[in-house]
Order: sequence, then structure tokens, then C-alpha cells
Amino acid sequence: AQSVTQLDSHVSVSEGTPVLLRCNYSSSYSPSLFWYVQHPNKGLQLLLKYTSAATLVKGINGFEAEFKKSETSFHLTKPSAHMSDAAEYFCVVSDWSAGNQFYFGTGTSLTVIP
Amino acid sequence: DADVTQTPRNRITKTGKRIMLECSQTKGHDRMYWYRQDPGLGLRLIYYSFDVKDINKGEISDGYSVSRQAQAKFSLSLESAIPNQTALYFCATSRGGSSYEQYFGPGTRLTVT
Repeated sequence: AQSVTQLDSHVSVSEGTPVLLRCNYSSSYSPSLFWYVQHPNKGLQLLLKYTSAATLVKGINGFEAEFKKSETSFHLTKPSAHMSDAAEYFCVVSDWSAGNQFYFGTGTSLTVIP
Repeated sequence: DADVTQTPRNRITKTGKRIMLECSQTKGHDRMYWYRQDPGLGLRLIYYSFDVKDINKGEISDGYSVSRQAQAKFSLSLESAIPNQTALYFCATSRGGSSYEQYFGPGTRLTVT
């Protein structure tokens, strides 16, 4: 069965310090993995995706994530947090064996302290 | 104009009322989805449709029904609304295949009193 675990429900960082949002997944086959961001009162926007190409994926706004099959992880990082990064972040897994459905983690709320 | 639109954006209704949430897309995607978002639970799939004649139940379909009127339109109905259906509802679209991302509408905030 496919599933996603976001290891932290809340993360607080100071502006200018690194961001790490952790995601572990389970998938029977080669998965596709996504990170989405949701700003307050907004819909979800794609940050980046992994689809079996390069394991280090770069996304928008300076975010990147590394696919580690041996650790079944897809952690999201950013070298330096900005105030505008404060939002909810969702890790998502999909694979063909799941009927191409998308499975969402429960989300990580990122707070950036000035 | 937005690629995925949802109407209404906000709705307050009473227990027992029937309500329809509508979704339209201009991306030309075959696949459409309805999710609900509750605090701390992430997004949970209600129904999904891979084309006009293919509709499937998701994780939490009880109490909901859908209609795929055309490739571009996918409606969600609550036949008899109850308070625990108070949530934020999202429509999404995607191309076929697991490697393609979803595109989300702005959401509908539904309150059932």
C-alpha cells in the first residue's frame, strides 16, 4: 500500500536559516513524489516533483528535495528561509500500481521567525 | 484567468440541505479529483474521474456523489449535509499517468450548521 508520513507537523525556523521538512513514503513500485505548498487561504501550488530522473530535484523559490530510495525518503530543503516561506507543505506520492491516485501526507506547518 | 475554478468559494448551509460544489478546468486534462481538507489530516480523496465515463470512489466517498458533465466539469454533491462535512474542498486536475502533477482550484470553504 502507498502512504506518506510527514515526520513533523510543525517546524519553526529563523529567517535566513536552513529549512528541512521531512517526508518518508512507502510504495510498492517506482513512485513519483511531489511537494506542494499552501499559503493561508490559498490553493495548493507545486514546488517540485521527482519522476525517476535525477534524484536531486530543484524546485521553485530555492527549494530542493533529494530522493533516497534506500531510506524511502524525500526531504524538502532550502538553504535560507524567507518570511514568505511561511505556509503549509504537503508531501505526495503516486505510482501506477495505486491506480495513479495521489496520496497526501498530513502536512507540515512552517513558521519563519523574523 | 485561473486554469481550475471552483464555485462557490464560500458557503454556509444547514443540516439536511442538498448542496452542489462545481469545478471547471481549462487545462484540457482528462483526470479530475475532489478532495476535502481538515486540519491535521491533510487532503483526503472523495472521488476521482479519469474520463467522462469513468468515475471512482476515493477514501471517503460516503455522503457524497459526483457528476462529470463534460471533460471540463466535475461537480460534487452533498445530498443531505451534516456538520462533520464542514471542511475546505478542493478540485484538482491532472494528465494521465502517475508522473504528472495535479493542478488545484482555489478551494471552497463549506460550513454546515
